[in-house]
Amino acid sequence: EPEVTQTPSHQVTQMGQEVILRCVPISNHLYFYWYRQILGQKVEFLVSFYNNEISEKSEIFDDQFSVERPDGSNFTLKIRSTKLEDSAMYFCASSEVTGETQYFGPGTRLLVL
Amino acid sequence: QKEVEQDPGPLSVPEGAIVSLNCTYSNSAFQYFMWYRQYSRKGPELLMYTYSSGNKEDGRFTAQVDKSSKYISLFIRDSQPSDSATYLCAMSDAGGTSYGKLTFGQGTILTVHP
Repeated sequence: EPEVTQTPSHQVTQMGQEVILRCVPISNHLYFYWYRQILGQKVEFLVSFYNNEISEKSEIFDDQFSVERPDGSNFTLKIRSTKLEDSAMYFCASSEVTGETQYFGPGTRLLVL
Repeated sequence: QKEVEQDPGPLSVPEGAIVSLNCTYSNSAFQYFMWYRQYSRKGPELLMYTYSSGNKEDGRFTAQVDKSSKYISLFIRDSQPSDSATYLCAMSDAGGTSYGKLTFGQGTILTVHP
């Protein structure tokens, strides 16, 4: 069964450093998303991406964040200068049609020290 | 008022019990309703997906949506210890203004003990 994959599974970084989180969505999906979940809190929407551009972003997704689909298979989330409060689990998701079933990856646990 | 409210529990039931999980919401534009299961430190796994109002059944799982009351439910019959997880409701108004953004509830922690 096709699945969303994410790398790395864990990332530890120093405050102020740049991190890139990588995702490979399901191959025939056209809509891509990033969400995050701070420990013990809700899953929160960050950004949606379609046709090589951002469709929608939340207020969390400020100028420190960017997304890219550098080739036909990868979808990345970059945090330019990490802050302590960026420590969270980051999930990538994809769907075939907007708004319908989104399939989530296993997540990247980011720890900013 | 929070956009999606879900009782975080925890909920503890004996094996074989019927479990009822529910969420309320305030945004009447929501049309797509999902239930995800999340094991500790893992990604959400899609369980059920419903469009608009009505019931949907899949094996031991039944999802209900009542748009007039802004209330959704997930029922688990003959619960098993392997059902122990956090259950997340999520919803979207896709096709409206949100381009598929999912809004999640807090999650309900369920433990099924043998």
